[in-house]
Amino acid sequence: DAGITQSPRHKVTETGTPVTLRCHQTENHRYMYWYRQDPGHGLRLIHYSYGVKDTDKGEVSDGYSVSRSKTEDFLLTLESATSSQTSVYFCAISESGRISSGNTIYFGEGSWLTVV
Amino acid sequence: DAKTTQPTSMDCAEGRAANLPCNHSTISGNEYVYWYRQIHSQGPQYIIHGLKNNETNEMASLIITEDRKSSTLILPHATLRDTAVYYCIVRDYGQNFVFGPGTRLSVLP
Repeated sequence: DAGITQSPRHKVTETGTPVTLRCHQTENHRYMYWYRQDPGHGLRLIHYSYGVKDTDKGEVSDGYSVSRSKTEDFLLTLESATSSQTSVYFCAISESGRISSGNTIYFGEGSWLTVV
Repeated sequence: DAKTTQPTSMDCAEGRAANLPCNHSTISGNEYVYWYRQIHSQGPQYIIHGLKNNETNEMASLIITEDRKSSTLILPHATLRDTAVYYCIVRDYGQNFVFGPGTRLSVLP
């Protein structure tokens, strides 16, 4: 299994409070991602990072921010949590590589967030 | 948008081969075909990927048609633990992984 640790694994928070999810990797991979998964929508990309301090938006980035100050850590922050952000959040990593390597993506075990 | 089409669900008898199809008729020359699966409540798990040639590893085999417009993932001897949602993804280097709804495979005893 890829060395990916997500924390917290489960969290219940109140509407309007800030929440930070952490993803830690031990693989020294360049790329890191945050996805959310909801019934009827599948996995959707929130933000991703292609290096330290280099991040970009995915398809559902509104209401989320990210930071990557070290190769191994990628933080996802909900500045003011809303009920629509109740979801399962998955962190993923991949290494950069030549096209011939067809580099793969590996996922963490998920963080369950409930906003009440 | 997902570039693949998969059946919504499939059943397979335990011990038999599970053949999961995927259509990717608009695939370009540099795009790889990836397969992942997600067992209930877990993170998606990498299975296999390929470009043109058929591929095999300890988990599965990937058969890609000569025109590359479709592929089949084969689990040679399905077990109950293979019950999961299987995702077929096509992706070029530098692109993000886009997951569609996948195929829900039920392995029946």
